[in-house]
Amino acid sequence: DVKVTQSSRYLVKRTGEKVFLECVQDMDHENMFWYRQDPGLGLRLIYFSYDVKMKEKGDIPEGYSVSREKKERFSLILESASTNQTSMYLCASRQGLVDTQYFGPGTRLTVL
Amino acid sequence: QKEVEQNSGPLSVPEGAIASLNCTYSDRGSQSFFWYRQYSGKSPELIMFIYSNGDKEDGRFTAQLNKASQYVSLLIRDSQPSDSATYLCAVISGNSGYALNFGKGTSLLVTP
Repeated sequence: DVKVTQSSRYLVKRTGEKVFLECVQDMDHENMFWYRQDPGLGLRLIYFSYDVKMKEKGDIPEGYSVSREKKERFSLILESASTNQTSMYLCASRQGLVDTQYFGPGTRLTVL
Repeated sequence: QKEVEQNSGPLSVPEGAIASLNCTYSDRGSQSFFWYRQYSGKSPELIMFIYSNGDKEDGRFTAQLNKASQYVSLLIRDSQPSDSATYLCAVISGNSGYALNFGKGTSLLVTP
């Protein structure tokens, strides 16, 4: 059964803190993605990765970085959290370039 | 930016009726098309995918693709109150680096 897990369902951080969001998939998928979702703006792609140690910027990479040291794990890093990064963060993975994409349960991040 | 457009709704249908959800996309190079369902506070879950022109049926759901018109739709037969959710149309295009582009979603309300 397909499984994508995220380290936290809810997270509260203070402005300026460094924040790590972890995502793990157990399907041996090549491709992994980080999105944020905000009311009225829909799902927006932050970063994605086609392979270990490889990353590509999405539509809104500013203020974020990523790390993929192992195939199954893709981390999103907020170097210095700001209030405008309060959002739902969704991780996803898929095998091939045009295959079905599966989502994790999401992390609701609040930055105070 | 490759556009995926959906009517935001809400689309209201009575229980037992057919719900018709529509999506248009701007990139003629788009290759794979997906419908996700998202309940409030939850992550998107895959309903259907379609790659070729025509209809594809799965239980109460039918996806329809017309590449010439750049149009994809989702029909839900015998709608149930549990179908009330936001439906996201998503498209993969090689011209966009194979990232999954999402529409902003259509809110469906099935009334008893």
